[in-house]
Amino acid sequence: ETGVTQSPTHLIKTRGQQVTLRCSSQSGHNTVSWYQQALGQGPQFIFQYYREEENGRGNFPPRFSGLQFPNYSSELNVNALELDDSALYLCASSLAPGGGETQYFGPGTRLLVL
Amino acid sequence: AQSVSQHNHHVILSEAASLELGCNYSYGGTVNLFWYVQYPGQHLQLLLKYFSGDPLVKGIKGFEAEFIKSKFSFNLRKPSVQWSDTAEYFCAVNARNGGYNKLIFGAGTRLAVHP
Repeated sequence: ETGVTQSPTHLIKTRGQQVTLRCSSQSGHNTVSWYQQALGQGPQFIFQYYREEENGRGNFPPRFSGLQFPNYSSELNVNALELDDSALYLCASSLAPGGGETQYFGPGTRLLVL
Repeated sequence: AQSVSQHNHHVILSEAASLELGCNYSYGGTVNLFWYVQYPGQHLQLLLKYFSGDPLVKGIKGFEAEFIKSKFSFNLRKPSVQWSDTAEYFCAVNARNGGYNKLIFGAGTRLAVHP
């Protein structure tokens, strides 16, 4: 069974640029969620994708957007990068979108914005 | 607003000492509760979870947690820690009947175990 994978592992961008992060869900999982983990803090929910649509969103501005593909993999796009976007971005997958499901996390992508 | 509070940011213990990490949550509805662990250089892993039933939940590696509904708490315990338990521990909560799965995490507790 393949776990959640993410790419790239590390990324350096400059303020104002755009970035795309990628996630492959665990085998059999159709739901993907994205989290931002700033240094010294717990992960914060960005949004969740199910059936190729966003079905829940946290307190993040519209410049954070995503996609889910028919094979359930997902992308997180961030436009107009700001210094505060520097963080570890985590992807998690689950069997279904509801609150009763357990989420399994990938290793994360560490983004540094200069 | 929903929130999770972990009382200790850093804990240092000697091997064989007992561990208790506090977690309190603020949420108006019925919740599911989780403890995740992040070992150095590794990704977040599920340690244990509570959905319903027996409020004393046993997880991997000898960890357990007790859900006390009246105190809105879900404290993590281990009777005797090992050096390999050195890691960061996160308590998390989500809405049991929510249409989507939004985990709310605490800030984490960094545990260092000395041999």
